Amino acid sequence: QKEVEQDPGPLSVPEGAIVSLNCTYSNSAFQYFMWYRQYSRKGPELLMYTYSSGNKEDGRFTAQVDKSSKYISLFIRDSQPSDSATYLCAMRITNAGKSTFGDGTTLTVKP
Amino acid sequence: SAVISQKPSRDICQRGTSLTIQCQVDSQVTMMFWYRQQPGQSLTLIATANQGSEATYESGFVIDKFPISRPNLTFSTLTVSNMSPEDSSIYLCSVGDPTNEKLFFGSGTQLSVL
Repeated sequence: QKEVEQDPGPLSVPEGAIVSLNCTYSNSAFQYFMWYRQYSRKGPELLMYTYSSGNKEDGRFTAQVDKSSKYISLFIRDSQPSDSATYLCAMRITNAGKSTFGDGTTLTVKP
Repeated sequence: SAVISQKPSRDICQRGTSLTIQCQVDSQVTMMFWYRQQPGQSLTLIATANQGSEATYESGFVIDKFPISRPNLTFSTLTVSNMSPEDSSIYLCSVGDPTNEKLFFGSGTQLSVL
């Protein structure tokens, strides 16, 4: 079983919809949680970075971490066609440690 | 954020040959990372490249297959040796910010082995 499981998708939504992207994990030692966005033929770019449990908001994006359930989510409000990309969750145990990535969820936002 | 230039962006290679991928960063960094991203799969860390020392390889990856050079604090190369179709993948160079909280990635090298 993988340490990090991500909803596989693909996910297709109309413009303006609220999108929920989710990952579960098995290693309770994970403390740092990240979401990356990857456009086609590009490298991943960091969207959100959170430590431990709680919520973090940045514009239309909200990252949520529930360590008791070993579950993290990324919410996108008022989704735009430019949000169409693959979203990767990642997590690690220590600040400078190795990151473990989910397989990614491909999102398409239709105008 | 660091700007990472990776070359080539894509290549098609014959079985049994080798390909060297270059990674140039616009600032000095202590550690550089090489990842593989196979279709529909997660990013897998191949190795960590430190300047002035041997690269540290993850389980399942060996130096003979993926030799790495790190001649200075802004440059690294990854060679994929004796390629087979199973090596067809995207290879990504990455660096961390000074606190290593954040990873920055190059655009990747799309490798196809026939």
